[in-house]
Amino acid sequence: AQRVTQPEKLLSVFKGAPVELKCNYSYSGSPELFWYVQYSRQRLQLLLRHISRESIKGFTADLNKGETSFHLKKPFAQEEDSAMYYCALRQGGSEKLVFGKGTKLTVNP
Amino acid sequence: DTEVTQTPKHLVMGMTNKKSLKCEQHMGHRAMYWYKQKAKKPPELMFVYSYEKLSINESVPSRFSPECPNSSLLNLHLHALQPEDSALYLCASSQEIWTGFGRGNTIYFGEGSWLTVV
Repeated sequence: AQRVTQPEKLLSVFKGAPVELKCNYSYSGSPELFWYVQYSRQRLQLLLRHISRESIKGFTADLNKGETSFHLKKPFAQEEDSAMYYCALRQGGSEKLVFGKGTKLTVNP
Repeated sequence: DTEVTQTPKHLVMGMTNKKSLKCEQHMGHRAMYWYKQKAKKPPELMFVYSYEKLSINESVPSRFSPECPNSSLLNLHLHALQPEDSALYLCASSQEIWTGFGRGNTIYFGEGSWLTVV
């Protein structure tokens, strides 16, 4: 069965500091990996998906199949980045999206 | 319009009540989902509809009854709920269900309906 692990429940950094939110997955096939973000009092929204290899709001994430990781990174954190971040996996051939437990990021001024 | 709209935003119901949660999207998406999210927990899939037909039921108790009247609407009928069913219920939609690796159809979420069962 697929599993997504986000080891940090809470992460606190200062504005301008680099930030890395960790995500590891276990799945025997070829997964699709996503990062979703939920700002305070707002809906869950897609931030990144690995197949797009894009940078959104300065965030990037690279799928490392050897380490089964999909860590989210940003070189210079901003206060508006404070939010709940969920890593999610969808296995090939399935509509089911499995979420990690989430990491709450706080960026302090 | 890239929104999934859910009503009501808040609902309080007794254990003997019958109520419904509603979800609407006008993006032409043919896959719609219900997720349940307890406080400080990640969303958990309940149901998936594809082309108005139930595609996945994640062993959800029968006191939750989904309905997809047409391609834009998704309802969740609630009856004889328990206090532990209190949660945020999220509706979502995507262009279609997974049709091939690499498509990565984006799943759009609504703001959710906060349900409290008393």
